[in-house]
Amino acid sequence: QSVLTQPPSVSGAPGQRVTISCTGSSSNIGAGYDVHWYQVLPGTAPKLLISDNNSRPSGVPDRFSGSNSVTSASLAITGLQAEDEADYYCQSYDNSLGGYYVFGTGTKVTVL
Amino acid sequence: QLQLQESGPGLVKSSETLSLTCTVSGGSITSGPYYWGWIRQPPGKGLEWIGSIYYSGSPYYNPSLKSRITMSVDTSKNQFSLKLASVTATDTAVFYCARHPPGATESFDHWGQGTLVTVYS
Repeated sequence: QSVLTQPPSVSGAPGQRVTISCTGSSSNIGAGYDVHWYQVLPGTAPKLLISDNNSRPSGVPDRFSGSNSVTSASLAITGLQAEDEADYYCQSYDNSLGGYYVFGTGTKVTVL
Repeated sequence: QLQLQESGPGLVKSSETLSLTCTVSGGSITSGPYYWGWIRQPPGKGLEWIGSIYYSGSPYYNPSLKSRITMSVDTSKNQFSLKLASVTATDTAVFYCARHPPGATESFDHWGQGTLVTVYS
């Protein structure tokens, strides 16, 4: 039921910069609802990585940053590290069907 | 430090009702303007929001699941619960409980570890 589309995978060498896109529509990101990003390490609970489009919760390294466009958002990881290998999900809100929270399809980041 | 922990049967028979509970520790379920929600992740697939509830009630549900969901809160036990009726194999998933402030623009800031529920026939 994912209405936010992400690339299935991205990869990069240690130290490189990678970006993950999150494409939505006029009923979610395009309607102005904030985008949030989560990191999911194997066997662990999802961790809020970026909130409100580009805010980092306490403890999140500044290597992670978020940005928005009209109907899409992006997560950038600079100075890629081995510990960044995980699944990443975007999340927003969709105002169709009465309104509901929506997540992206997820992106696997591989550190080469 | 706020912690959430899911509990419930790991196996549920097809057509029956899945029941899960989330126990909140390190804070009161009644404190702050927070909603308490459920999110699931089928094997190999993405995350899907199921529904959320305030400590005094007022649940709201994912439209695609609304007809099968019931959520409730037990403030005396600092817990909230999910019931998903008429399950099928497609309901097999890791179920997470999480917290979020009220509002359409909000994020889920605390999550449980998740519990795998398998629907069998």
